Amino acid sequence: DAGITQSPRHKVTETGTPVTLRCHQTENHRYMYWYRQDPGHGLRLIHYSYGVKDTDKGEVSDGYSVSRSKTEDFLLTLESATSSQTSVYFCAINTGYNQPQHFGDGTRLSIL
Amino acid sequence: GESVGLHLPTLSVQEGDNSIINCAYSNSASDYFIWYKQESGKGPQFIIDIRSNMDKRQGQRVTVLLNKTVKHLSLQIAATQPGDSAVYFCAERVNYGGATNKLIFGTGTLLAVQP
Repeated sequence: DAGITQSPRHKVTETGTPVTLRCHQTENHRYMYWYRQDPGHGLRLIHYSYGVKDTDKGEVSDGYSVSRSKTEDFLLTLESATSSQTSVYFCAINTGYNQPQHFGDGTRLSIL
Repeated sequence: GESVGLHLPTLSVQEGDNSIINCAYSNSASDYFIWYKQESGKGPQFIIDIRSNMDKRQGQRVTVLLNKTVKHLSLQIAATQPGDSAVYFCAERVNYGGATNKLIFGTGTLLAVQP
């Protein structure tokens, strides 16, 4: 157990509403990542963080923003949700350079 | 190996048989590879990893083989059990010289174990 908690686990919302997903880790790892998982695609990186207030974009960052004000929390925000953002979102942490990423159990987000 | 369209390739095996799942990776600069297992409704779970300076690594009932010449990775599961039924996918880290450990993920193979 890598000590990663994602919340909420499920959410249904309407187009145009703001949505924030939370990832919480208990082990103070520096690197954290947000991915989305869709049929026909591998996990795709949205944003990642390499420390408090240090974040960078991934390959599918449009329409998403992130914040990291504490080491343990990494927030993903959809400012104005669209139906194309319906997906399963996973948070991951990295425990070291030649170490695997470890994942939370995901948030299933449906935007109607 | 890799997914075509929306349907995952499926490997169906009998309980007790050995399973081999394949992955073609994309970049010759990749230097670290990981296999993950994902059960329905759960996050990916780390199985085994291998660095590019190795061609084989063994774990408990699992072996990963790396062929850098043809950019191919395989996961062998010995004595497959019903609990091994899941989607398996590979990930590669392309070494651009940074320390971000960003990964590129394959789309996965569904392993179905028949009792």
